Amino acid sequence: DGGITQSPKYLFRKEGQNVTLSCEQNLNHDAMYWYRQDPGQGLRLIYYSQIVNDFQKGDIAEGYSVSREKKESFPLTVTSAQKNPTAFYLCASKLLYGRRNQPQHFGDGTRLSIL
Amino acid sequence: ELKVEQNPLFLSMQEGKNYTIYCNYSTTSDRLYWYRQDPGKSLESLFVLLSNGAVKQEGRLMASLDTKARLSTLHITAAVHDLSATYFCAKRETGANSKLTFGKGITLSVRP
Repeated sequence: DGGITQSPKYLFRKEGQNVTLSCEQNLNHDAMYWYRQDPGQGLRLIYYSQIVNDFQKGDIAEGYSVSREKKESFPLTVTSAQKNPTAFYLCASKLLYGRRNQPQHFGDGTRLSIL
Repeated sequence: ELKVEQNPLFLSMQEGKNYTIYCNYSTTSDRLYWYRQDPGKSLESLFVLLSNGAVKQEGRLMASLDTKARLSTLHITAAVHDLSATYFCAKRETGANSKLTFGKGITLSVRP
C-alpha cells in the first residue's frame, strides 16, 4: 500500500539535543511538507520541498532544519535552538505534476516532548 | 499575507440536527481544501473545491465555495456521533508554490 510513514511515533528530547524526525513516502509525490501542530491551533508550516535538493522555509522555520536528498524522504531535525519543541509534527506530500488538483496527504505524525 | 479564519472554533451539535460551519479567507485565489482530524490522529482529506460555485457532497457533509465572498461553508445534515472531530479548511496561496495556509480548525462534538 502506498502512503506516508513517519517515525518514531513518540520522541523525547533532552536539553541541548538535536533530534531527527523521519518522513518517507512511496506515493511518488513531488512535494513534501513539515507542519507543527500545537493544542487548539491549526497547522503551521515549518519547511517544504517541491523538488529534490531544494527546499523553502515556511512560517516557523527557526530552530529546524531539513534535507531532501531523495524524492521519497524529507527528514526534519529539531535543533537545540528550538526552545519550545513540544508539539505534534505532521509530514505531508503532494503530487505537483499530472493530477495536480489532488490534496496533500498526511502521515500519522510524531509527538515530540521535552524530558 | 493569506489569512484563513474558521468559526466557530467549537460547536456542540445535537444528533439529528443540521449545522453549518464557515471558513473565510483573505485572498481571491482558487482551491480550498477541507480536512478532518480525529483526536491524536492525522488529517484526512474530505473535499477539494477548485473554483467559484463548486459544491461537493460526501454522506452527511456538503462543502461549497464562493470565491467572490471569500467563503467556504461545510454543511452537516442530521448530525451523528461519528462526525465528532476537528475540521480544518486550508487555502492554497497564489503563485507557483504549493503552500497551504490552514485555519485553526473547528471542533465538532455531537451529543445524543
